[in-house]
Amino acid sequence: GESVGLHLPTLSVQEGDNSIINCAYSNSASDYFIWYKQESGKGPQFIIDIRSNMDKRQGQRVTVLLNKTVKHLSLQIAATQPGDSAVYFCAEIMDTGRRALTFGSGTRLQVQP
Amino acid sequence: DAGVTQSPTHLIKTRGQQVTLRCSPISGHKSVSWYQQVLGQGPQFIFQYYEKEERGRGNFPDRFSARQFPNYSSELNVNALLLGDSALYLCASSSVVNNNEQFFGPGTRLTVL
Repeated sequence: GESVGLHLPTLSVQEGDNSIINCAYSNSASDYFIWYKQESGKGPQFIIDIRSNMDKRQGQRVTVLLNKTVKHLSLQIAATQPGDSAVYFCAEIMDTGRRALTFGSGTRLQVQP
Repeated sequence: DAGVTQSPTHLIKTRGQQVTLRCSPISGHKSVSWYQQVLGQGPQFIFQYYEKEERGRGNFPDRFSARQFPNYSSELNVNALLLGDSALYLCASSSVVNNNEQFFGPGTRLTVL
């Protein structure tokens, strides 16, 4: 399959370690944030979301943290597995009717066995 | 249940030609959005349609157009193709226009020679 992000920043972790992927978003008016996972040859897959009135949300093995003061979003993956290897994008939605997603530039996560 | 489907999977065109890409949303979803993903970058919003009407447009030239049919499927048309139009074109569906959760298809890889 094709490579989604040939020139993206890369985070390399050992299997079983925790991973932290960071994202700086652009618009202080954004009211909703989402992390997507994109594997080679596939479309983005929803991982977890968070509203702007929250600062933390937990899912299964994943946690998203939101710092509105510095417009920063992070995704924490616990006990990283080889299947977590992919490109990860943060996306934001402004409070407009159309709810279009604005994506960040992405981070490639490589999990070493 | 079938997810979002897109056709064709891959397409090769030459400069100046026209192309039509197709998308079928998840059954019951009435909103379709189109995104362009250039290699190494996050997806960029092109259009959103809901109930056959355009509800939003990104910063793309008039060479890009789209429509939505009564069965909620959608077509994206690009005229006078340029080399820079080479990208992965993603379709996403959501149940209604203001629903934050968007589900992506696998995309159509367009190469312009």
